[in-house]
Amino acid sequence: GQNIDQPTEMTATEGAIVQINCTYQTSGFNGLFWYQQHAGEAPTFLSYNVLDGLEEKGRFSSFLSRSKGYSYLLLKELQMKDSASYLCAVSLRGIYGGSQGNLIFGKGTKLSVKP
Amino acid sequence: DSGVTQTPKHLITATGQRVTLRCSPRSGDLSVYWYQQSLDQGLQFLIQYYNGEERAKGNILERFSAQQFPDLHSELNLSSLELGDSALYFCASSVAEAGFMNTEAFFGQGTRLTVV
Repeated sequence: GQNIDQPTEMTATEGAIVQINCTYQTSGFNGLFWYQQHAGEAPTFLSYNVLDGLEEKGRFSSFLSRSKGYSYLLLKELQMKDSASYLCAVSLRGIYGGSQGNLIFGKGTKLSVKP
Repeated sequence: DSGVTQTPKHLITATGQRVTLRCSPRSGDLSVYWYQQSLDQGLQFLIQYYNGEERAKGNILERFSAQQFPDLHSELNLSSLELGDSALYFCASSVAEAGFMNTEAFFGQGTRLTVV
């Protein structure tokens, strides 16, 4: 089966740095996505990793280790608007290579940013 | 605005009833995905269509069905509704056909279904 684990909740202070971890056990792993979701709203894409290493996008960075089944999302210079759920999602390998298309999501980490 | 449109935004209906949720993908996107999000389960993949054909199935109940029309909009039909079907239903779209490339999926704002 497929299993994705991430912490349920985290709290951090405005201006700080926070790291949200995600571990996965899947067969046929292809790539890992991070999405941000504010309560009651649509998930929005943050980052995508298919190779090992760090991808940086402004205040957000994501890291992947395929051999360890591990990823993290790093948020720097936290702002109050970063209070949201962060969803780790895995795409599986399709029969022709590349991605199968659909995503398998973890249950999300609810981040609260305090002043 | 992701460019994915879902209607209606809210729906309240009684147990045993049938409802239809509608999704219009982003212009140019051929793949449509349906997801269900409940409080305790997180986002669960239901079904995917590509250019009118079913491509992948997830944990979709037999009471649920979907289709994608020639104009690429998609509908999710939920029948014999139960209290446990109350959830947010999201539609997402992407450019690529499954198996060819990785592209991000863009999500609509969702339909909040409440079964009473």
